[in-house]
This record gives sequence, structure tokens and C-alpha cells, in this order.
Amino acid sequence: KAGVTQTPRYLIKTRGQQVTLSCSPISGHRSVSWYQQTPGQGLQFLFEYFSETQRNKGNFPGRFSGRQFSNSRSEMNVSTLELGDSALYLCASKLGISGTDEAQYFGPGTRLTVT
Amino acid sequence: LAKTTQPISMDSYEGQEVNITCSHNNIATNDYITWYQQFPSQGPRFIIQGYKTKVTNEVASLFIPADRKSSTLSLPRVSLSDTAVYYCLVGGDNYGQNFVFGPGTRLSVLP
Repeated sequence: KAGVTQTPRYLIKTRGQQVTLSCSPISGHRSVSWYQQTPGQGLQFLFEYFSETQRNKGNFPGRFSGRQFSNSRSEMNVSTLELGDSALYLCASKLGISGTDEAQYFGPGTRLTVT
Repeated sequence: LAKTTQPISMDSYEGQEVNITCSHNNIATNDYITWYQQFPSQGPRFIIQGYKTKVTNEVASLFIPADRKSSTLSLPRVSLSDTAVYYCLVGGDNYGQNFVFGPGTRLSVLP
């Protein structure tokens, strides 16, 4: 079974621009979460989507948004990029079965550099 | 959400067994304990998950005492390729809880 895929793998943008990152979960997984990882702050949760609905959100400004499609694929968008948004953005998926505690499976990440 | 505490770093030598302990004093009844491994510039990789007692798979063992306030990841006979950051995660069920990653334990395996 194919793992979580993320595109693009690397991206360079300029301050003020916006960016869209894509994530395809493992087949059959309905929950997709996004994380930001930086050397200073570590791994920080951005948001989780399940069945096209955002059901939890981390402590990030409104410039960070996301969505999930009916096939469970997800995108996250960052508008008005700042230098501090340079990070590795990770997507993770899980089945999303209610009442169980499943492990998440992570993609390879998208390395975003803002100049 | 259960907060976790792990050592920031550990050193070991090839061939040795490594035990990394994680404290999670306020673990909830429904919480599972999950460990991940992460190499630089890659996504975390699932290692093992457990609820109580002992769990073993092909790469590691997880020991959880009866009170579940801590857990120990055991890596048998480590090699240089096991040099990575190891994260202990508690909770994160399917009712909207987000995962909170601590700083992890940076394991350095020396020749």
C-alpha cells in the first residue's frame, strides 16, 4: 500500500506571496493532519481534517488554512508569507475510526523556504 | 492532553541495547502511547504503539508499567542508522484531539 505523499517536496517563495501544499493520504484513511516543523519550535500541530471537515486547529494565525476533498486528499494554504514560515510542513494520515486510538503515518514533508 | 517528558539526548554504541523512558503522569484512561522515529528532513516514522504491559514488534519493544505513568522504548542492538530523534506521544484519539509533540530524544549511536 502506498504511503502518504506530499507535493511539492521543495518550494521557494518570496515574502508576501501565498503557497498551496498538497497531501494524499494512505488509501482508505479519512483523517489528515498537518504539522509545521522548525528548528526552534519543533513539531507543531496546525489542523486536522476528517471527512472534509476541520475538526481541530492548532494555535496558528488565520493565514494558515486548509481543506479536504471528498477523496480525502488535503491541501493547506499559507497566505502573505513571512520569513518565519520557512519550515518543513508535514502531513499525516490515519483511518479515523471513531473510538480507537490509531497511529498517524507521516509523509516526507514539503520544505518551504521564504526569502 | 497528556504532557510528556523525555531526556533531550542520549549516546550509545553500536550493538548495545538502548532504553528511552518517557514520563506521562496525567495520561488518560483511553490514551495510547506511541513512539516515532525521525531522521533529518524526513517525516516521523511510526515505531510502536501500546496501551499497557509489553508490546514487541520487529524493531522495538515498549514497556508500560501498571500505573501507565511512564513508558520505555527499548531498541535492541542499535546500529549507526538508528541515530535519530525519538518522540513519545500520548493521546490523540479520534474526537478532535491534536497530537502534541515534545522535543523528543536525540539518540546518537557511536561506532
